[in-house]
Amino acid sequence: QVQLKESGPGLVQPSQTLSLTCTVSGFSLTSYHVHWVRQPPGKGLEWMGVMWSDGDTSYNSALKSRLSISRDTSKSQVFLKMSSLQTEDTATYYCARVGPPGFDYWGQGVMVTVSS
Amino acid sequence: DIVMTQAPLSVSVTPGESASISCRSSKSLLHSNGITYVYWYLQKPGKSPQLLIYRMSNLASGVPDRFSGSGSETDFTLKISRVEAEDVGIYYCGQLLENPLTFGSGTKLEIK
Repeated sequence: QVQLKESGPGLVQPSQTLSLTCTVSGFSLTSYHVHWVRQPPGKGLEWMGVMWSDGDTSYNSALKSRLSISRDTSKSQVFLKMSSLQTEDTATYYCARVGPPGFDYWGQGVMVTVSS
Repeated sequence: DIVMTQAPLSVSVTPGESASISCRSSKSLLHSNGITYVYWYLQKPGKSPQLLIYRMSNLASGVPDRFSGSGSETDFTLKISRVEAEDVGIYYCGQLLENPLTFGSGTKLEIK
């Protein structure tokens, strides 16, 4: 069945770079787009960017200068890297698949705290 | 960016009663292909969001038919009939018409 699972450090120091991995199963990265969405504690959802099925990427302009999304199709993994982290980047980070009906599958999320 | 505005901020509902949540977009979400790219999600406490309604009025797989979506090009409504205890959580609308994808700020549904 379709699954997405995020992994990465739970704690990152300010000004450091965050690296997260989304490992997917049950579908091919070359057939579906995978997005990253984050949610600060007690707040709403913010779209970060997308790895399109053709390998291209798009980013939220508010994060574009700090954000990079890549993938390894052989490992069924999508990667997120975001630099210059600040406390306001503390959030749960989700990867999610977009199929014909939209965001049809989400990962469980990974909580990232930015703190020294 | 397309702004999605939800109302109310919270709603308290007696089990068995109905609830409606509104969402307004700052731009028409009707594409030239005839599809309206508005979606509804429910985030249950401590869980990831789950898709309820896609393309304004289509029920996602496995979602009870107590949920329904309707609207126009910029004004949308999620209706929950016969609310149950399992429906508690935060409801979000969102648009997939154009990047950046955006979401409403959420409506919290509580049970009386």
